[in-house]
Amino acid sequence: KAGVTQTPRYLIKTRGQQVTLSCSPISGHRSVSWYQQTPGQGLQFLFEYFSETQRNKGNFPGRFSGRQFSNSRSEMNVSTLELGDSALYLCASSLGSHPNQPQHFGDGTRLSIL
Amino acid sequence: QQQVKQSPQSLIVQKGGISIINCAYENTAFDYFPWYQQFPGKGPALLIAIRPDVSEKKEGRFTISFNKSAKQFSLHIMDSQPGDSATYFCAAIGSGSEKLVFGKGTKLTVNP
Repeated sequence: KAGVTQTPRYLIKTRGQQVTLSCSPISGHRSVSWYQQTPGQGLQFLFEYFSETQRNKGNFPGRFSGRQFSNSRSEMNVSTLELGDSALYLCASSLGSHPNQPQHFGDGTRLSIL
Repeated sequence: QQQVKQSPQSLIVQKGGISIINCAYENTAFDYFPWYQQFPGKGPALLIAIRPDVSEKKEGRFTISFNKSAKQFSLHIMDSQPGDSATYFCAAIGSGSEKLVFGKGTKLTVNP
């Protein structure tokens, strides 16, 4: 079974630009969550989608947004990029239909802001 | 507010030794506690998980011990191997939520 696939793996942007990251979950998984990983803050939850609806949202500004498509694939968008947005962005998928289903992570997109 | 506190930040163990990583949580609504292993350049990989109605869970060389009254849980890696060198994260999640709350991570180095 293929794992969680994130594209692109690396991305370099400049301040003020916007970026879209993509995540393809494990086949059959309907929940997709996004996390930001930085050396200082560690792993922080951004948001979670299930059946195209956002169910949970973390404490990030509105510049961070996402969506999920009918095939469960998800995209995350960050607008007006700031230097502090440099991070590894991780996507995780799970069945999501039962409590406490294990989440499986992709290898992330490394975003660097110049 | 850090809801899951993890220690130590780094750990060096000799091959064959026991690695122990500790975590403590605050939110009593948490009811699922997974551990993740992350290698450089890779995403976190689920290692082992436990629910609070169980005091211990063992999978191969990896054991989780859980103390519900103390709100603490720990990961023991027996017979540690150089290939175990990675960063380990404890996490917690509450029922009905997909929001994992992570500890800050422990960088484990196993010397040959």
